[in-house]
Amino acid sequence: GAVVSQHPSRVICKSGTSVKIECRSLDFQATTMFWYRQFPKKSLMLMATSNEGSKATYEQGVEKDKFLINHASLTLSTLTVTSAHPEDSSFYICSAPWSVLDTQYFGPGTRLTVL
Amino acid sequence: GENVEQHPSTLSVQEGDSAVIKCTYSDSASNYFPWYKQELGKGPQLIIDIRSNVGEKKDQRIAVTLNKTAKHFSLHITETQPEDSAVYFCAASRTGANSKLTFGKGITLSVRP
Repeated sequence: GAVVSQHPSRVICKSGTSVKIECRSLDFQATTMFWYRQFPKKSLMLMATSNEGSKATYEQGVEKDKFLINHASLTLSTLTVTSAHPEDSSFYICSAPWSVLDTQYFGPGTRLTVL
Repeated sequence: GENVEQHPSTLSVQEGDSAVIKCTYSDSASNYFPWYKQELGKGPQLIIDIRSNVGEKKDQRIAVTLNKTAKHFSLHITETQPEDSAVYFCAASRTGANSKLTFGKGITLSVRP
Protein backbone atom coordinates (compact mmCIF):
# COMPACT_ATOMS: atom_id res chain seq x y z
CA GLY A 1 0.00 0.00 0.00
CA ALA A 2 0.83 3.65 -0.05
CA VAL A 3 2.95 5.30 2.65
CA VAL A 4 2.16 8.50 4.49
CA SER A 5 4.73 10.01 6.83
CA GLN A 6 4.50 12.67 9.51
CA HIS A 7 7.15 14.80 11.10
CA PRO A 8 7.84 15.19 13.91
CA SER A 9 6.52 12.11 15.68
CA ARG A 10 6.62 13.87 19.02
CA VAL A 11 6.94 17.50 19.99
CA ILE A 12 6.95 19.28 23.31
CA CYS A 13 6.60 23.04 23.32
CA LYS A 14 5.94 25.89 25.69
CA SER A 15 2.59 27.58 25.88
CA GLY A 16 2.31 30.44 23.42
CA THR A 17 4.64 29.03 20.80
CA SER A 18 3.68 27.73 17.37
CA VAL A 19 4.28 24.20 16.16
CA LYS A 20 4.36 22.94 12.58
CA ILE A 21 3.52 19.35 11.69
CA GLU A 22 4.29 17.96 8.25
CA CYS A 23 2.38 15.26 6.40
CA ARG A 24 3.90 13.71 3.31
CA SER A 25 2.68 11.17 0.82
CA LEU A 26 5.91 9.31 0.06
CA ASP A 27 5.20 7.46 -3.16
CA PHE A 28 2.07 9.03 -4.55
CA GLN A 29 0.49 12.41 -5.13
CA ALA A 30 -2.45 13.64 -3.12
CA THR A 31 -4.47 16.71 -4.06
CA THR A 32 -6.42 16.24 -0.85
CA MET A 33 -5.22 15.37 2.62
CA PHE A 34 -7.11 15.22 5.87
CA TRP A 35 -6.10 16.29 9.36
CA TYR A 36 -7.52 14.57 12.42
CA ARG A 37 -7.19 15.04 16.13
CA GLN A 38 -7.48 12.18 18.59
CA PHE A 39 -7.82 12.34 22.35
CA PRO A 40 -6.79 9.36 24.53
CA LYS A 41 -9.10 6.39 24.09
CA LYS A 42 -11.31 8.37 21.73
CA SER A 43 -12.11 8.22 18.07
CA LEU A 44 -10.60 10.36 15.33
CA MET A 45 -12.11 13.80 14.92
CA LEU A 46 -11.75 15.38 11.52
CA MET A 47 -10.37 18.90 11.82
CA ALA A 48 -10.01 19.97 8.21
CA THR A 49 -9.54 18.96 4.62
CA SER A 50 -6.35 20.20 3.03
CA ASN A 51 -6.65 21.04 -0.68
CA GLU A 52 -3.67 21.53 -2.95
CA GLY A 53 -3.88 24.90 -4.65
CA SER A 54 -6.78 26.22 -2.61
CA LYS A 55 -7.84 26.99 0.93
CA ALA A 56 -8.43 24.27 3.46
CA THR A 57 -11.95 23.36 4.46
CA TYR A 58 -12.45 23.36 8.21
CA GLU A 59 -14.97 21.37 10.18
CA GLN A 60 -17.47 23.16 12.35
CA GLY A 61 -15.96 24.33 15.60
CA VAL A 62 -12.34 24.20 14.42
CA GLU A 63 -10.60 27.60 14.52
CA LYS A 64 -8.96 28.18 11.18
CA ASP A 65 -6.76 30.96 12.58
CA LYS A 66 -5.42 28.66 15.24
CA PHE A 67 -4.89 25.60 13.08
CA LEU A 68 -3.27 26.84 9.89
CA ILE A 69 -3.15 24.39 7.03
CA ASN A 70 -1.03 24.75 3.92
CA HIS A 71 -1.02 22.21 1.11
CA ALA A 72 2.29 23.26 -0.35
CA SER A 73 2.62 20.59 -3.01
CA LEU A 74 1.03 17.39 -4.24
CA THR A 75 2.97 15.45 -1.60
CA LEU A 76 3.07 17.81 1.37
CA SER A 77 0.53 19.33 3.73
CA THR A 78 1.42 21.17 6.92
CA LEU A 79 -0.60 21.88 10.04
CA THR A 80 0.59 24.75 12.21
CA VAL A 81 -0.82 25.04 15.70
CA THR A 82 -0.45 28.74 16.50
CA SER A 83 -0.08 30.11 20.02
CA ALA A 84 -0.38 26.63 21.44
CA HIS A 85 -1.93 26.08 24.84
CA PRO A 86 -2.07 22.98 27.06
CA GLU A 87 -5.57 22.17 25.79
CA ASP A 88 -4.09 21.76 22.31
CA SER A 89 -2.11 18.80 23.55
CA SER A 90 -3.29 15.82 21.53
CA PHE A 91 -2.43 13.22 18.92
CA TYR A 92 -2.62 14.74 15.43
CA ILE A 93 -2.95 12.40 12.48
CA CYS A 94 -3.08 13.08 8.76
CA SER A 95 -4.38 10.91 5.97
CA ALA A 96 -4.20 10.92 2.20
CA PRO A 97 -6.27 9.13 -0.41
CA TRP A 98 -4.40 6.89 -2.84
CA SER A 99 -6.22 7.04 -6.14
CA VAL A 100 -4.84 3.74 -7.46
CA LEU A 101 -6.90 1.71 -4.99
CA ASP A 102 -9.25 4.53 -3.96
CA THR A 103 -8.30 4.00 -0.33
CA GLN A 104 -7.24 6.38 2.40
CA TYR A 105 -3.96 5.88 4.23
CA PHE A 106 -2.98 7.41 7.54
CA GLY A 107 0.28 8.75 8.82
CA PRO A 108 1.84 7.52 12.07
CA GLY A 109 0.62 10.54 14.01
CA THR A 110 2.29 13.37 15.94
CA ARG A 111 2.05 13.59 19.70
CA LEU A 112 1.92 17.25 20.72
CA THR A 113 2.44 18.20 24.34
CA VAL A 114 2.10 21.84 25.31
CA LEU A 115 3.55 22.75 28.68
CA GLY B 1 -24.63 14.25 8.25
CA GLU B 2 -23.44 10.70 8.57
CA ASN B 3 -23.48 8.95 11.93
CA VAL B 4 -21.55 5.73 12.43
CA GLU B 5 -22.17 3.64 15.51
CA GLN B 6 -19.95 0.82 16.57
CA HIS B 7 -20.66 -1.88 19.10
CA PRO B 8 -19.64 -3.38 21.39
CA SER B 9 -17.04 -0.97 22.78
CA THR B 10 -14.85 -3.75 24.09
CA LEU B 11 -14.49 -7.37 23.09
CA SER B 12 -12.40 -10.10 24.63
CA VAL B 13 -11.89 -13.44 22.92
CA GLN B 14 -9.76 -16.49 23.43
CA GLU B 15 -6.90 -17.01 21.03
CA GLY B 16 -8.09 -19.05 18.09
CA ASP B 17 -11.70 -17.96 18.40
CA SER B 18 -13.47 -15.64 15.99
CA ALA B 19 -14.30 -12.01 16.64
CA VAL B 20 -17.11 -10.03 15.06
CA ILE B 21 -17.39 -6.27 15.25
CA LYS B 22 -20.51 -4.53 13.99
CA CYS B 23 -21.16 -1.01 12.76
CA THR B 24 -24.27 0.79 11.62
CA TYR B 25 -24.47 3.93 9.53
CA SER B 26 -27.23 6.44 8.93
CA ASP B 27 -26.56 7.98 5.50
CA SER B 28 -27.97 5.80 2.75
CA ALA B 29 -25.72 7.64 0.28
CA SER B 30 -22.57 6.27 1.93
CA ASN B 31 -20.86 3.81 -0.36
CA TYR B 32 -17.38 3.22 1.03
CA PHE B 33 -16.70 1.42 4.30
CA PRO B 34 -13.11 0.92 5.50
CA TRP B 35 -11.89 -0.74 8.66
CA TYR B 36 -8.80 0.45 10.48
CA LYS B 37 -6.66 -1.13 13.18
CA GLN B 38 -4.87 1.18 15.57
CA GLU B 39 -2.17 0.09 17.97
CA LEU B 40 -1.20 2.22 20.93
CA GLY B 41 0.65 5.36 19.93
CA LYS B 42 0.39 4.66 16.20
CA GLY B 43 -1.70 5.86 13.32
CA PRO B 44 -4.65 3.81 12.03
CA GLN B 45 -3.77 1.05 9.58
CA LEU B 46 -6.21 0.11 6.85
CA ILE B 47 -6.97 -3.60 7.11
CA ILE B 48 -9.87 -4.04 4.71
CA ASP B 49 -12.55 -2.01 3.01
CA ILE B 50 -15.73 -2.65 1.08
CA ARG B 51 -17.79 -0.71 -1.39
CA SER B 52 -21.53 -0.71 -1.75
CA ASN B 53 -21.52 -2.71 -4.96
CA VAL B 54 -20.43 -5.87 -3.12
CA GLY B 55 -21.81 -7.67 -0.09
CA GLU B 56 -18.71 -9.40 1.20
CA LYS B 57 -14.95 -9.21 0.90
CA LYS B 58 -12.32 -11.49 2.36
CA ASP B 59 -8.58 -11.24 2.88
CA GLN B 60 -7.04 -14.24 4.62
CA ARG B 61 -8.35 -14.24 8.23
CA ILE B 62 -10.28 -11.01 7.81
CA ALA B 63 -13.64 -10.50 6.13
CA VAL B 64 -16.14 -7.69 5.92
CA THR B 65 -19.83 -7.97 5.13
CA LEU B 66 -22.19 -5.19 4.11
CA ASN B 67 -25.96 -5.06 4.35
CA LYS B 68 -27.09 -1.93 2.53
CA THR B 69 -30.75 -2.45 3.29
CA ALA B 70 -30.14 -2.58 7.01
CA LYS B 71 -27.29 -0.09 6.79
CA HIS B 72 -24.82 -2.14 8.73
CA PHE B 73 -21.45 -3.71 8.07
CA SER B 74 -19.34 -6.10 10.10
CA LEU B 75 -15.72 -7.09 10.49
CA HIS B 76 -14.99 -10.77 11.01
CA ILE B 77 -11.62 -11.99 12.25
CA THR B 78 -11.09 -15.74 12.35
CA GLU B 79 -8.40 -17.70 14.22
CA THR B 80 -7.58 -14.67 16.35
CA GLN B 81 -4.03 -14.18 17.56
CA PRO B 82 -2.65 -12.03 20.40
CA GLU B 83 -1.25 -9.60 17.83
CA ASP B 84 -4.81 -8.90 16.71
CA SER B 85 -5.28 -7.06 20.02
CA ALA B 86 -5.80 -3.39 19.17
CA VAL B 87 -8.48 -0.76 18.68
CA TYR B 88 -10.57 -1.24 15.57
CA PHE B 89 -12.44 1.61 13.88
CA CYS B 90 -15.09 1.39 11.23
CA ALA B 91 -15.80 4.34 8.98
CA ALA B 92 -18.06 5.43 6.16
CA SER B 93 -17.97 7.98 3.37
CA ARG B 94 -20.09 8.98 0.40
CA THR B 95 -17.76 9.04 -2.52
CA GLY B 96 -14.87 6.81 -1.75
CA ALA B 97 -11.46 7.53 -0.30
CA ASN B 98 -11.27 11.09 -1.61
CA SER B 99 -14.03 12.26 0.69
CA LYS B 100 -13.96 12.67 4.42
CA LEU B 101 -14.54 9.65 6.57
CA THR B 102 -16.94 9.47 9.48
CA PHE B 103 -15.58 7.15 12.14
CA GLY B 104 -17.21 4.98 14.73
CA LYS B 105 -16.06 5.29 18.33
CA GLY B 106 -13.79 2.28 18.10
CA ILE B 107 -13.68 -1.07 19.81
CA THR B 108 -10.87 -2.45 21.92
CA LEU B 109 -10.26 -6.07 20.99
CA SER B 110 -8.32 -8.19 23.45
CA VAL B 111 -7.18 -11.65 22.43
CA ARG B 112 -6.35 -13.78 25.43
CA PRO B 113 -3.46 -16.20 24.89
